[in-house]
Amino acid sequence: QVQLVQSGGEVKKPGASVKVSCKASGYTFSNYGISWVRQAPGQGLEWMGSISPYHVDTTYAQKFQDRVTMTTDKSTSTAYMELTTLRSDDTAVYYCARGGSTWYAYWGQGTLVTVSS
Amino acid sequence: EIVMTQSPATLSVSPGERATLSCRASQSVRSNLAWYQQKPGQAPRLLIYDASVRAIGIPVRFSGSGSGTEFTLTISGLQSEDHAQYFCQQYQQRHPSTFGQGTKVEI
Repeated sequence: QVQLVQSGGEVKKPGASVKVSCKASGYTFSNYGISWVRQAPGQGLEWMGSISPYHVDTTYAQKFQDRVTMTTDKSTSTAYMELTTLRSDDTAVYYCARGGSTWYAYWGQGTLVTVSS
Repeated sequence: EIVMTQSPATLSVSPGERATLSCRASQSVRSNLAWYQQKPGQAPRLLIYDASVRAIGIPVRFSGSGSGTEFTLTISGLQSEDHAQYFCQQYQQRHPSTFGQGTKVEI
C-alpha cells in the first residue's frame, strides 16, 4: 500500500531554517511527483510547490519562491522540503502529497513546525 | 491565481439529512476540481476528483457536480462520521493549485 511517512515535529526560532522529510513506499517513487501543502492553525490549505522525482523539475508558489527548496533522493525514495528565514506565521502543519499539480489521493501524516522565540 | 470561494463557512445538518456544499472559482477551471474531507488532527482525505469522480473507497453518499466556475459536493444521508471540514481544490491552473477556505459540517 502507498505510504508517505514524514519526519517529526520541529521547534525553530525566527530566522532559522527547517527541513522536513517525506519517505515514500508502496509505489515506484520516480513515477510520481511530490507536492507540499501547509496548513496554519485553524486555517485552510496552502499549496507550496511540487517536484518531479524523475525529471527533478521543481515548481514553487510565488509566495515561497525565495525561501523554499524541494529535493528528492531517489535512492531512499525520500522527498525533502526546506524552508529558510522562518517567521512566526510559518507555524503550520506541513504535508507532503503524492502528485504534481493535480489531485492528491495520498498524503503524509503531517509535520508540525512551530516558529517561536 | 485562481481564487476558490466556499460556502457556507459552517453547515449544521441532522443525521440522515442531505448536506449541500458549494465551491466557486474566480475563473473557469473546467472540471479540474477535487473535494477533500479533513477531520481534526488528520491529513485531508480525497473524496472526489475531476469534479464528479468518486475516489477509491469513498461511499456513494458523497457526490460531486458542476463545471466551469460553480461546483457542489452533496452528502446524502449524513452520518455522524461525516462531521468534518471539507475543502475544494482547483488544478486547472497548476502553478499554483489553490484551495478553498473550507466548509465545516456540524451534525
